[in-house]
Amino acid sequence: DSGVTQTPKHLITATGQRVTLRCSPRSGDLSVYWYQQSLDQGLQFLIQYYNGEERAKGNILERFSAQQFPDLHSELNLSSLELGDSALYFCASSVGQGSNSPLHFGNGTRLTVT
Amino acid sequence: AQSVTQLDSHVSVSEGTPVLLRCNYSSSYSPSLFWYVQHPNKGLQLLLKYTSAATLVKGINGFEAEFKKSETSFHLTKPSAHMSDAAEYFCVVSDRGGYNKLIFGAGTRLAVHP
Repeated sequence: DSGVTQTPKHLITATGQRVTLRCSPRSGDLSVYWYQQSLDQGLQFLIQYYNGEERAKGNILERFSAQQFPDLHSELNLSSLELGDSALYFCASSVGQGSNSPLHFGNGTRLTVT
Repeated sequence: AQSVTQLDSHVSVSEGTPVLLRCNYSSSYSPSLFWYVQHPNKGLQLLLKYTSAATLVKGINGFEAEFKKSETSFHLTKPSAHMSDAAEYFCVVSDRGGYNKLIFGAGTRLAVHP
């Protein structure tokens, strides 16, 4: 068990809808990352937060947004959902924000858009 | 920009035989390199990491990887495969843009036969 908790495990919704994915990092970790894993794109970095502030952005669509709250949990909001947004969304956390701080991944939220 | 190429999408071995999963990287400076494993319906688990210390890196579950700068390679090996090693393996490079943005390879699915 990595100590990173993601909810829900599965989410099925329709096109055009909005969903929120939640992540609780490991105790003591200040950085939270979001990744998307899809069959055609593989694993892609979306966004990183450190102690409540956005630190790095990857291939995150404008329809997607995230935030990290004072208690360090994070939420990823996906809106105007399209079929192509169906994927496994991973949250990861680390103590620091540099490349020497290994990431610990949650088990993911599987999103299916119908 | 950094990138990684996993040379085999699928590798099949017999239980008790050696495992070799190949990875080449591209980086304009000394990279941080990682191997992660993903078991079905699970999150990603860190196997090992290279961060410019010893070139031969030992990880969990008997895996190790050797950093070869001259060949820009970071191949993952294990002397004797176990059935429980069947999973997807990802070679990863850290984008040293100051933060911990990981760039994943496409993955290698390892099958282990009795």
